Amino acid sequence: SQTIHQWPATLVQPVGSPLSLECTVEGTSNPNLYWYRQAAGRGLQLLFYSVGIGQISSEVPQNLSASRPQDRQFILSSKKLLLSDSGFYLCAWSVRSKFGGTEAFFGQGTRLTVV
Amino acid sequence: DAKTTQPTSMDCAEGRAANLPCNHSTISGNEYVYWYRQIHSQGPQYIIHGLKNNETNEMASLIITEDRKSSTLILPHATLRDTAVYYCIVLTGANSKLTFGKGITLSVRP
Repeated sequence: SQTIHQWPATLVQPVGSPLSLECTVEGTSNPNLYWYRQAAGRGLQLLFYSVGIGQISSEVPQNLSASRPQDRQFILSSKKLLLSDSGFYLCAWSVRSKFGGTEAFFGQGTRLTVV
Repeated sequence: DAKTTQPTSMDCAEGRAANLPCNHSTISGNEYVYWYRQIHSQGPQYIIHGLKNNETNEMASLIITEDRKSSTLILPHATLRDTAVYYCIVLTGANSKLTFGKGITLSVRP
């Protein structure tokens, strides 16, 4: 079955520290992968989008970067965290559905607090 | 550029049907209408999708107008656990970028 693993569930990091959030997908191949951020009480903001290994599209200018070293692995990173990086980070994948359209599924998210 | 518009919020009584509208007037012929919902502090959950025919599953029904410019998600018997933000989005099958608007906040009252 198709599953998505995202960890950790919660993270508290000091300002200026590095960040690495990892997301892995099972049960599918060549998925589109996504990183979203959701600030408190706000909608889902698309940060990065990847259609293949090494192919990353950045949707908004920011203090973060993403990498896709393997087909089913997506990593969100920062060299130096800012207070404004706090939020709920979600990884997702999508693939063309055999029934038409696109299937998409989300991880359970990482709540990052920068202090 | 989510390509859909939804009301900001609505409420309904527990046990009654919740009808959530969505406008997608610029939808193209190969784009599907998808509905997701997000319960507080969780990842979005897939509900249902459709192209032009009405669809029903164990969670909800999706009614798409004949011109496909709008749709309605129907939760037939809303419960308190259905309180969430509901997102309506349109996607093609090929490398669609999954972007969300602000969604509609549904509050189910006892």
